[in-house]
Amino acid sequence: KAGVTQTPRYLIKTRGQQVTLSCSPISGHRSVSWYQQTPGQGLQFLFEYFSETQRNKGNFPGRFSGRQFSNSRSEMNVSTLELGDSALYLCASSLRDMGTDTQYFGPGTRLTVL
Amino acid sequence: AQKITQTQPGMFVQEKEAVTLDCTYDTSDPSYGLFWYKQPSSGEMIFLIYQGSYDQQNATEGRYSLNFQKARKSANLVISASQLGDSAMYFCAMREQSSASKIIFGSGTRLSIRP
Repeated sequence: KAGVTQTPRYLIKTRGQQVTLSCSPISGHRSVSWYQQTPGQGLQFLFEYFSETQRNKGNFPGRFSGRQFSNSRSEMNVSTLELGDSALYLCASSLRDMGTDTQYFGPGTRLTVL
Repeated sequence: AQKITQTQPGMFVQEKEAVTLDCTYDTSDPSYGLFWYKQPSSGEMIFLIYQGSYDQQNATEGRYSLNFQKARKSANLVISASQLGDSAMYFCAMREQSSASKIIFGSGTRLSIRP
């Protein structure tokens, strides 16, 4: 079974631009979560989607948004990029959105904002 | 509120020795899942092991075992016979059982294996 895939793997943008990251979950998985990882803040939860509905959201500004499609693929969008948005963005998928379901992560997208 | 604490920022271990990575947690939910992930320098988070709060036995997966002490709210990862390839960041994580609960991570432990 193929793992979680994320595209692109690397991205360089300038302040003020917007960016869209894509995540394809493991086949059959219906829950997709997004995380931001920075050296200073560690791993922070962004949001989770299950069956095309946002089920949970972390403490991030409205510039961060996402969506999930009927095939469970998910996209994350960041508008009006700031320097502090430079980070590794990780996507994870699980069968459901329950606590006992293991989340499997993709390789991440490394975003650099100049 | 959910909380995960990893008190060891970094550890050095000799190859082939066993190593224990500490993790304590806090939750008011009686039902939850505990996870350990490994993150090599490439960045990908690799799932290692899972322990459910109602599991009677400690979880094991190959060289990995989880020392689960529920009363102490402790979920330490034990790696037996460490290998050079075990050098990486290790994260402890928890998710409450209720649906739509978010997973939270500890700050991680950087493990370095000496040849």
